[in-house]
Amino acid sequence: GAGVSQSPSNKVTEKGKDVELRCDPISGHTALYWYRQSLGQGLEFLIYFQGNSAPDKSGLPSDRFSAERTGGSVSTLTIQRTQQEDSAVYLCASSPGPLRTDTQYFGPGTRLTVL
Amino acid sequence: GQQLNQSPQSMFIQEGEDVSMNCTSSSIFNTWLWYKQDPGEGPVLLIALYKAGELTSNGRLTAQFGITRKDSFLNISASIPSDVGIYFCAGLEPNSGYALNFGKGTSLLVTP
Repeated sequence: GAGVSQSPSNKVTEKGKDVELRCDPISGHTALYWYRQSLGQGLEFLIYFQGNSAPDKSGLPSDRFSAERTGGSVSTLTIQRTQQEDSAVYLCASSPGPLRTDTQYFGPGTRLTVL
Repeated sequence: GQQLNQSPQSMFIQEGEDVSMNCTSSSIFNTWLWYKQDPGEGPVLLIALYKAGELTSNGRLTAQFGITRKDSFLNISASIPSDVGIYFCAGLEPNSGYALNFGKGTSLLVTP
């Protein structure tokens, strides 16, 4: 389809391992966002990309979290040395551009479980 | 960002009943959004509100942007079983044009 896609849909890892989560935004959308959803909670903003640059990384919970975006399209969220509290659903969203950041379209998410 | 106060936390209703849920914040927002999330899926945008006092409908859904800019409500009329899901409010603060602040969600269950 033409929506936001994310992979993998589920990831189970052991504490201390690194994980990479991938997001493919809607074609033509220049703005991309990562959010985290913990069990029973609303979504927590992590990072925003406009094109390949990330003007706001303030939501990243620790320096173990990083994200990059190449070619203005696909983005990867990397979590190093995973901890059990990192277990959550990681959601990616995209929007048409900097003037339309309110209309964010979400992918299905990656459910991360850290054992 | 701040977390919005969304209520009720859950609702269990019969098909055909009307539903109302609301969100409040301690600061003003420029935009209020309402999303629905089905199990295993990402949130889907239902209604977007851009002006204080604005009342917008989308089929059986109606939402309003509070005149104080610190609250919003969502009404669902004549509920049907497929309305089941978690409804989230979200808002954008004036100085943050992209980081949505979310409520914790209202879980809606509809019995036939």
